[in-house]
Amino acid sequence: DTGVSQDPRHKITKRGQNVTFRCDPISEHNRLYWYRQTLGQGPEFLTYFQNEAQLEKSRLLSDRFSAERPKGSFSTLEIQRTEQGDSAMYLCASSPNGNNQPQHFGDGTRLSIL
Amino acid sequence: AQRVTQPEKLLSVFKGAPVELKCNYSYSGSPELFWYVQYSRQRLQLLLRHISRESIKGFTADLNKGETSFHLKKPFAQEEDSAMYYCALKKTDKLIFGTGTRLQVFP
Repeated sequence: DTGVSQDPRHKITKRGQNVTFRCDPISEHNRLYWYRQTLGQGPEFLTYFQNEAQLEKSRLLSDRFSAERPKGSFSTLEIQRTEQGDSAMYLCASSPNGNNQPQHFGDGTRLSIL
Repeated sequence: AQRVTQPEKLLSVFKGAPVELKCNYSYSGSPELFWYVQYSRQRLQLLLRHISRESIKGFTADLNKGETSFHLKKPFAQEEDSAMYYCALKKTDKLIFGTGTRLQVFP
């Protein structure tokens, strides 16, 4: 198992375009999380899933953002009509069910908006 | 509001010196706290969590509820400890991170 996998590693796009990122969690992990990290800041929570159910969304997640985990395995995060302020590192993490389980992070997808 | 504060952006020490990376939190319930580390060009990885009360790579962290702190300590820093360190608080199932402290250990 190579851990949490994210694709692509880097995405450059023009303002106004739509982008989609993919995250493959560690295979036996039921929980999957998305975070965003901007320069000089720690990761900020966006949303998380338990299996295919999206259980919580941050207020940071505007209506241009949507996340899915249709079969309870991989997840996608889509940003529509990208803006300059969307430029950030998007991190995915996964964990098993249960209390006191640590989250394991992927390498992230760096989004650059031109 | 729940918050994690890491007051130092940068901490520079010489090899062999003691290290203390500060973390303070605000949380109304019983906190669950973590330290994550990110080495150069690597992913964020768990270093330790307060519930385990373990020492990893010589680092320890003690939860002090009276001072609402979870400082990370190591008695003798090594060059390979140079990295970005993040303190995180678990609220329901999500993590709230501090802004991080960059530790530089000089030879």
